[in-house]
Amino acid sequence: GAGVSQSPSNKVTEKGKDVELRCDPISGHTALYWYRQSLGQGLEFLIYFQGNSAPDKSGLPSDRFSAERTGGSVSTLTIQRTQQEDSAVYLCASSSRTAVEAFFGQGTRLTVV
Amino acid sequence: AQKITQTQPGMFVQEKEAVTLDCTYDTSDPSYGLFWYKQPSSGEMIFLIYQGSYDQQNATEGRYSLNFQKARKSANLVISASQLGDSAMYFCAMRGSTGKLIFGQGTTLQVKP
Repeated sequence: GAGVSQSPSNKVTEKGKDVELRCDPISGHTALYWYRQSLGQGLEFLIYFQGNSAPDKSGLPSDRFSAERTGGSVSTLTIQRTQQEDSAVYLCASSSRTAVEAFFGQGTRLTVV
Repeated sequence: AQKITQTQPGMFVQEKEAVTLDCTYDTSDPSYGLFWYKQPSSGEMIFLIYQGSYDQQNATEGRYSLNFQKARKSANLVISASQLGDSAMYFCAMRGSTGKLIFGQGTTLQVKP
């Protein structure tokens, strides 16, 4: 069965470049979450999508970060003008209204050099 | 605003002994859910256990139990009969009425043989 899929699994980019991270949630899941996890740290909430409702963007750290979810399915997290402090693992999760837990992807490890 | 606090950055436990990982939370939502996830060194996020705010009994899943004390706003995870494979980072999380899911900073558990 298909789980949450994230791509790429690893991304190395130069400081100042823009990057796009992709998340394919489990089919039928209406909720989608993005988190950032620095090495050995907790999961920092970034953004939450629920169906057709306006997303909760309260965790986005700056206006360089944005995310969209097309057709209630695939989501893209965009980081513009990347900085070294953006280096982290970006995790995506999805959940349905009937399931209790959120299911996570394997993450994208972003390294800004 | 929602908040999750895990005050133990690291814990050690002897194999076969029980261990309690602390979690306190803050929310004004009357309805919420509490979760524990395990993150081994591989980085995957593994769902362990869930407690709803209106559940009368503490949740249990095999060797995991959640000690839910609503008045104290605590949701500690108890692992009985620790195994070497339990060595990992453990995250407490809360989902409020809007569906937003936030995580604590995590506790690293090391099981000693």
